[in-house]
Formats: sequence, structure tokens, C-alpha cells
Amino acid sequence: GAVVSQHPSRVICKSGTSVKIECRSLDFQATTMFWYRQFPKQSLMLMATSNEGSKATYEQGVEKDKFLINHASLTLSTLTVTSAHPEDSSFYICSARVPPGAKYEQYFGPGTRLTVT
Amino acid sequence: AQKVTQAQTEISVVEKEDVTLDCVYETRDTTYYLFWYKQPPSGELVFLIRRNSFDEQNEISGRYSWNFQKSTSSFNFTITASQVVDSAVYFCALSAMNYGGATNKLIFGTGTLLAVQP
Repeated sequence: GAVVSQHPSRVICKSGTSVKIECRSLDFQATTMFWYRQFPKQSLMLMATSNEGSKATYEQGVEKDKFLINHASLTLSTLTVTSAHPEDSSFYICSARVPPGAKYEQYFGPGTRLTVT
Repeated sequence: AQKVTQAQTEISVVEKEDVTLDCVYETRDTTYYLFWYKQPPSGELVFLIRRNSFDEQNEISGRYSWNFQKSTSSFNFTITASQVVDSAVYFCALSAMNYGGATNKLIFGTGTLLAVQP
């Protein structure tokens, strides 16, 4: 089946620094990827929809200047948390959408756990 | 607006018991998808099932079964003869259906933590 990877799986950074998280579709091309955020013991909330070659579409309440999303190729989308603060500590999960007709259509990455100290 | 409600925050059962996880959804879309995912402590989401809105047939896969009822906007999930390995958080999710049948962004419920005791 389709595989989505995320790197890094865990990252600890200091407050004020920026962190980049990569989401890759390993064996298929994904024109659309989604970025979700999950606080401890809470649900997944969509942050933005990333389309290859165009600007990401952010959900209401998500700061686009803080969470920079780039989808430069059909297999890679990146999420950069700029000037991170402790409240940005969370579990970030991406998903990649395969063309219609595929059984699952969206494949999730394993997630990246960000801790800001 | 789309919304998914999982009223059960935590359920604890003893191994071999049957357990049903409830999911109620709201949407104005006439075509949509419903999903169930399992999230073990590792955090990775495990896909369990996807149903589309025009297929109300119930489905059984091994010890898992799903009951989809549009009349009550529910998509409940039953685990028969539960096992300790079933312990996880289970999420129900909803997605609009785009042109061509593609899924859109997923709206997740708040999840149900299932603890299966030996």
C-alpha cells in the first residue's frame, strides 16, 4: 500500500527557534496533502490543505505566517513552525491524498512530536 | 457545518467482551465519506474502514463490524470478543466527497479511549 513518511519523528527545540517537518509520499504522487495537529488526549484538528505548486489553504484560526507550508513537489510537503513557543508543542500528522479510486485515498504519516522548551 | 460526535470518552471492558463505539455525525453534504481510525499509543493512525454515503450496507471484517444508519446519522463500530491489543483511541471521521469521488479534509470526532483489561 501507499506509504507516507514524516521526518523527524520527534524534535525538541528552544523557544524562539524554527522547526521544519517533512511529509513525504514514498511510492505515489500526492497533489494534495493535509496537515493536522493533535494536542495530548485530544482530537486531530486540520491546520491546512497543501496543494502542489500553489499556496496552502489554512483553516480558520491557524496563523499562516507562523505555520509555513510548502508543497514544492508531488512527493514532499513541509511544515515550518516559525518562532516556536511552548504552546506549539503538539503532535503534528500529515496525510497524503492518492488519486480517486484508490481504496484508502488518504494515507497518514506516523506523526512528528514537537516539544518546545 | 460538519461535525462528528463521539459521546463516549473512555470505555473499559474485560477481554472477550463485545464493545460498541458510537459515532454520530452532522453534515449538509448529500455525498460524503465516513471513516474509523485506530490510534495506538505510538500515535500512528491505523485506517480501519471507509464508507460512502450511498452505501448503507453493514460491514464485517473479522472481529470488527460497522453499522451505518443514515436515518440516525450514526456510524457505530463494534468489536466482538475484544482483546488487549484492541486497547487504543478510536476516531470516527467525516469527509465531504469531491468531484470524482475524492475525499476532502477529514473532520474527526474527539475519540474514544478503549481499555481492554486481561
